[in-house]
Amino acid sequence: AQTVTQSQPEMSVQEAETVTLSCTYDTSESDYYLFWYKQPPSRQMILVIRQEAYKQQNATENRFSVNFQKAAKSFSLKISDSQLGDAAMYFCAYRSFSGGYQKVTFGTGTKLQVIP
Amino acid sequence: DSGVTQTPKHLITATGQRVTLRCSPRSGDLSVYWYQQSLDQGLQFLIQYYNGEERAKGNILERFSAQQFPDLHSELNLSSLELGDSALYFCASSPSGPRTDTQYFGPGTRLTVL
Repeated sequence: AQTVTQSQPEMSVQEAETVTLSCTYDTSESDYYLFWYKQPPSRQMILVIRQEAYKQQNATENRFSVNFQKAAKSFSLKISDSQLGDAAMYFCAYRSFSGGYQKVTFGTGTKLQVIP
Repeated sequence: DSGVTQTPKHLITATGQRVTLRCSPRSGDLSVYWYQQSLDQGLQFLIQYYNGEERAKGNILERFSAQQFPDLHSELNLSSLELGDSALYFCASSPSGPRTDTQYFGPGTRLTVL
């Protein structure tokens, strides 16, 4: 079974600084997607960024970028120029397409605090 | 606004009772997913439906069941409720096709079992 591990329950960053959230996963599959979701206090789940396993290039969305290391099964999220609105829980997620079905596994989350 | 709607927003009930949570996917999305998020926990995948058929099952208890109707809305039925079932229940939908990536989440239904 696939597992997703976020080893940092909480992180903090100064406003305008850069922070990196870690995520590792375990799988024997080669075809999958990885995601980072943000969950602010409103509890809404918001997609931040996604990465396709067969793409070597790291995904980037404005101030958010990932460092995808497929061999190491690592998928970290870097937030540049942190803003107060970035404060939230961040979840790493793995989606496989095994057998044509989509199975999704979420990590336990990292709570990010942004300090003014 | 993701375009996914869930009703009700909040639900308070007692142990042993049965409740139904409703989800309407984004227009055109055929896949619906249900997740459970207990307090300060990650999301646990419960079940996925695609165009009315069950496609994948996660850690869904036997007391829970779901279905997707011809108009593509979905319902999650929770019965013989226990205190531990108190959680935020999310529905998500994704675009049509057997291979899609992005899921769009609804605002969730907060269930409190007293």
